[in-house]
Amino acid sequence: KQEVTQIPAALSVPEGENLVLNCSFTDSAIYNLQWFRQDPGKGLTSLLLIQSSQREQTSGRLNASLDKSSGRSTLYIAASQPGDSATYLCAVRTRGTSYGKLTFGQGTILTVHP
Amino acid sequence: ETGVTQTPRHLVMGMTNKKSLKCEQHLGHNAMYWYKQSAKKPLELMFVYNFKEQTENNSVPSRFSPECPNSSHLFLHLHTLQPEDSALYLCASSQDALAVVNSPLHFGNGTRLTVT
Repeated sequence: KQEVTQIPAALSVPEGENLVLNCSFTDSAIYNLQWFRQDPGKGLTSLLLIQSSQREQTSGRLNASLDKSSGRSTLYIAASQPGDSATYLCAVRTRGTSYGKLTFGQGTILTVHP
Repeated sequence: ETGVTQTPRHLVMGMTNKKSLKCEQHLGHNAMYWYKQSAKKPLELMFVYNFKEQTENNSVPSRFSPECPNSSHLFLHLHTLQPEDSALYLCASSQDALAVVNSPLHFGNGTRLTVT
């Protein structure tokens, strides 16, 4: 059974810092991995989708890497801003499960203070 | 603005009530999903519809009944719920539930359900 773990559970940093969020998964047979952002009381916003054949994806100040063999992904946020404060979730689509079922981690709560 | 709209945003219901959650997507997608987000637990997939056909029921109790009349609309009918069913219910859509390449999920803002 696929399990997804995110470390740390919470992170508080001053504005301007570069930071890394970690995601690990137990079954490396995946189709893809997706990073989401969730603001309080809101739904999830897709940030980056990495296919299993890819090593990384970039969007603006965000860079996500994938090491499928070791079951790890990182989300790098450059020059953090208070508006980056949110919960960040990673999710994987595992091979062999029906209809590409997404397995989520519990998220990292990020607070960027001015 | 999200391409997936959920109503109502908040719902309080008693254990004997019957209510429905509604989801509508404006993205031209063919797959729609219900997820449950409880406090301190990862998101859990409940149901998947692909081209209006239910393709996944993740061992969800029968007090939750989904309905997908077309590829743009998804409902979750609720009856005789329990207090532990209180959670954020999220709807999502994607191009095709079977597609494994370039098919990210797009989520709505959810319905916050409280069962008293």
